[in-house]
Amino acid sequence: TQLLEQSPQFLSIQEGENLTVYCNSSSVFSSLQWYRQEPGEGPVLLVTVVTGGEVKKLKRLTFQFGDARKDSSLHITAAQPGDTGLYLCGLKAGTYKYIFGTGTRLKVLA
Amino acid sequence: ETGVTQTPRHLVMGMTNKKSLKCEQHLGHNAMYWYKQSAKKPLELMFVYSLEERVENNSVPSRFSPECPNSSHLFLHLHTLQPEDSALYLCASSQGLAGMVNEQFFGPGTRLTVL
Repeated sequence: TQLLEQSPQFLSIQEGENLTVYCNSSSVFSSLQWYRQEPGEGPVLLVTVVTGGEVKKLKRLTFQFGDARKDSSLHITAAQPGDTGLYLCGLKAGTYKYIFGTGTRLKVLA
Repeated sequence: ETGVTQTPRHLVMGMTNKKSLKCEQHLGHNAMYWYKQSAKKPLELMFVYSLEERVENNSVPSRFSPECPNSSHLFLHLHTLQPEDSALYLCASSQGLAGMVNEQFFGPGTRLTVL
């Protein structure tokens, strides 16, 4: 069974700091999605990474897909309070099967 | 309306009540999903429908009963729930094609509290 592990589980930082969160798999995967979920809301898709070594940028967020396609990272530059939320990684493991990590809960203090 | 919508957003019910959750997707997808999200646990897949046919049922207790009348609508009927069923219930949709990336898109969820 393929598992996704995310680290750290919790992160509390000051506004303006940089941070990186990680998503690691027990197996190679073909693509990976990153979501952000705010309290009381559903996960919102941020990006999909498909190619090993791929780097995608979304404003202050940089997503990287490991060369071996077993890991991915999300780096946030100059974090802002609006970045607060639960960051989830997920992958498609079958036609109708999706696996998600337990998430990294980020709090950015003003 | 765009994306995936869910109603109600919040629901409080007693253990003997019967209620239903509703989900509607406006993305033209052919697969719809129900997930349960509890604190400190990964998302738990409950049911999957593809073109109105149930294709996944992950050992969910019979007190949860899904219904998919068409590819845009999905219901979750609830009866005689237990307090441990309190959670955020998320609906999602995707284009269910084998071998494709096919991201899932989620609704805002229904926060369910069972007293």
